[in-house]
Amino acid sequence: QVLESGGDLVQRGGSLRLSCEASGFSISTKAMNWVRQAPGKGLEWVASIGRTGTATFYADSVQGRFIISRDKSDKTLFLQMNSLRADDTAVYHCASSAYFRPEGWYFDIWGRGTLVTVSS
Amino acid sequence: ELVLTQSPGTLSLSPGETATLSCRASQSVSSNYLAWYQHKPGQAPRLLIYGASNRATGIPDRFSGSGSKTDFALSISRLEPEDFAVYYCQQYGSSPQTFGQGTKVEI
Repeated sequence: QVLESGGDLVQRGGSLRLSCEASGFSISTKAMNWVRQAPGKGLEWVASIGRTGTATFYADSVQGRFIISRDKSDKTLFLQMNSLRADDTAVYHCASSAYFRPEGWYFDIWGRGTLVTVSS
Repeated sequence: ELVLTQSPGTLSLSPGETATLSCRASQSVSSNYLAWYQHKPGQAPRLLIYGASNRATGIPDRFSGSGSKTDFALSISRLEPEDFAVYYCQQYGSSPQTFGQGTKVEI
């Protein structure tokens, strides 16, 4: 399973870093992703990173503002969120997938998520 | 961007009944790369189906996926109390991967 942390209340324009730790598997064996759910809305893919950590993909809505990364020990996944906007308010889920492709892949392991609230 | 439209928005059923959920794509989903997830409030989403019709590990055979190209369906037979949740479809055949808006199955 995976466990997210780092969600908080932050002002518009501010920054926040989310973390995701895996148990029962090594994140170096999987592609890792962030998926979010805004209040009252559906799921939205945010970003993906490949096994080696060198390749990444982003949704247009966060491109240039968010950075997905993994630590060198391959135990923790991060999402650095900058220039936050009110529409970034959401529960952010960490999820793994077996493959890493521009088109994505299905998500086999998910976390419960961590809440990010951006105040205006 | 490939848009997925789920219907109905809400399905009101009783335990023991069968639920049929629809997911329609704005264009053909490449290789039928379509997945279904179950999501309950405050919990992690759960993968049910991938590749349109393949059950994920540990998913009971009451759950079945079908369809191809632009029309897909998730059937849940013999509804149990724990099946009442929101269900999402996701396509991973074209970039960017997208989700439907969800169908709520309620008692």
